[in-house]
Amino acid sequence: DAGVTQSPTHLIKTRGQQVTLRCSPISGHKSVSWYQQVLGQGPQFIFQYYEKEERGRGNFPDRFSARQFPNYSSELNVNALLLGDSALYLCASSLAGGGFVEKLFFGSGTQLSVL
Amino acid sequence: GQQVMQIPQYQHVQEGEDFTTYCNSSTTLSNIQWYKQRPGGHPVFLIQLVKSGEVKKQKRLTFQFGEAKKNSSLHITATQTTDVGTYFCSVNYGQNFVFGPGTRLSVLP
Repeated sequence: DAGVTQSPTHLIKTRGQQVTLRCSPISGHKSVSWYQQVLGQGPQFIFQYYEKEERGRGNFPDRFSARQFPNYSSELNVNALLLGDSALYLCASSLAGGGFVEKLFFGSGTQLSVL
Repeated sequence: GQQVMQIPQYQHVQEGEDFTTYCNSSTTLSNIQWYKQRPGGHPVFLIQLVKSGEVKKQKRLTFQFGEAKKNSSLHITATQTTDVGTYFCSVNYGQNFVFGPGTRLSVLP
C-alpha cells in the first residue's frame, strides 16, 4: 500500500507569491493534518481536517489556508509568501479525527524555499 | 499556546552507551506519542502512551509515562549507529497537535 504522498517535493518561490501544496493520505485514512518544520525545530501544527471539515488550527496567520476533498486528499495554500515561510511542510494522515490516540503517518514533505 | 519541553537538546554518545530524553508538560496530558526523524527524513511514529505510569518496551527502547501524566521519557539501551536522529514527543491539546523541540542524538562508532 502507498504511504502518504506529497507534491511537489521541492519548490522555490519569491516573496509575495502564492503556493499550493498537495497531499494524498493513506488509503482508508480520513484525517489529514499539516505541519511546518523549520530546520532544527519540531513540526509546528498548522491545520487538521477530517471528513472535509477543519478540526483544528494552529497559531498561523490567515495567509495559510487548507481544504480537504471528497477523496480525503488535501491542499495547503499559502498567500503573500514571506522569507520566513521557508520550511519543510509535512502532511500526516490518520484514521480518525478524534485527536485523542492518534497515530500519525507522515509524508516525505515539500521543501519550500522563499527567495 | 501550549508547549512541551524536551531535554537535552543534543546528545552525543559512544556506540554502546545508553541514552535518555525527557519530555515535560505544564499540564496533565491525555496521551503522549514519540516519533523519530532521521536526518533528511520525516517523523516516524514509535509509540503512544495513555495510562498513568505506563511503561512500554520495543527491543532496546523503553518508554515511560509519568504518574502525574505530565512527563515522559524515552530510554535507549546500548545505542547503535542506526539510532541516530531526532526524537520528538507529541501531545494533543484539544484538537491541536503539539510537538516538542526534539532531542538530536548522535552516535559515534
